[in-house]
Amino acid sequence: GAVVSQHPSRVICKSGTSVKIECRSLDFQATTMFWYRQFPKQSLMLMATSNEGSKATYEQGVEKDKFLINHASLTLSTLTVTSAHPEDSSFYICSAPRTRNTEAFFGQGTRLTVV
Amino acid sequence: QQQVKQSPQSLIVQKGGISIINCAYENTAFDYFPWYQQFPGKGPALLIAIRPDVSEKKEGRFTISFNKSAKQFSLHIMDSQPGDSATYFCAASMGLSSYKLIFGSGTRLLVRP
Repeated sequence: GAVVSQHPSRVICKSGTSVKIECRSLDFQATTMFWYRQFPKQSLMLMATSNEGSKATYEQGVEKDKFLINHASLTLSTLTVTSAHPEDSSFYICSAPRTRNTEAFFGQGTRLTVV
Repeated sequence: QQQVKQSPQSLIVQKGGISIINCAYENTAFDYFPWYQQFPGKGPALLIAIRPDVSEKKEGRFTISFNKSAKQFSLHIMDSQPGDSATYFCAASMGLSSYKLIFGSGTRLLVRP
């Protein structure tokens, strides 16, 4: 079964509103989670690294004020897309490693459509 | 130097055939090379992974071949089935404690019945 769960799986929002996406590790604690963005028929691009109890680390070119990341507990990281615009429409995916030396499991993804 | 180049972009194989997808990298600090399978509208799922200390790893119908000197690795899917039709991504990362995966561009595989 899934070990990393994302919610919601799909969301449609109006331009200018904010949307929150949750990523949960189901049966393990994750001090680190990763957020990726994937445009149609393209690869996954790492947006940021979410660290429990500290600030997220953003990749170059990713606006930290637009994509707010909160990792308040060892099992939950949230990505909030603020003031969403149609160009933010994408597939957002989180991942989390079970331990420091194992591979990361991916969530099922969230399809965001901004209209 | 952070790139992972993947080919082909798309691949059509007859049922029972062998599917081969290739990846190349530049950064010699990469030491973990996984392959992911992704179905439409789903997150990627780990298929198989290899570290540079071995040249080949096999799990069921899936085999990774790794050529450290050429900085290339490939995925072979034996006895390809229609259910294998998906997008496949190679990836690379460095350091045992690093999960910052750098993904290839993806290969859309179609296995015809």
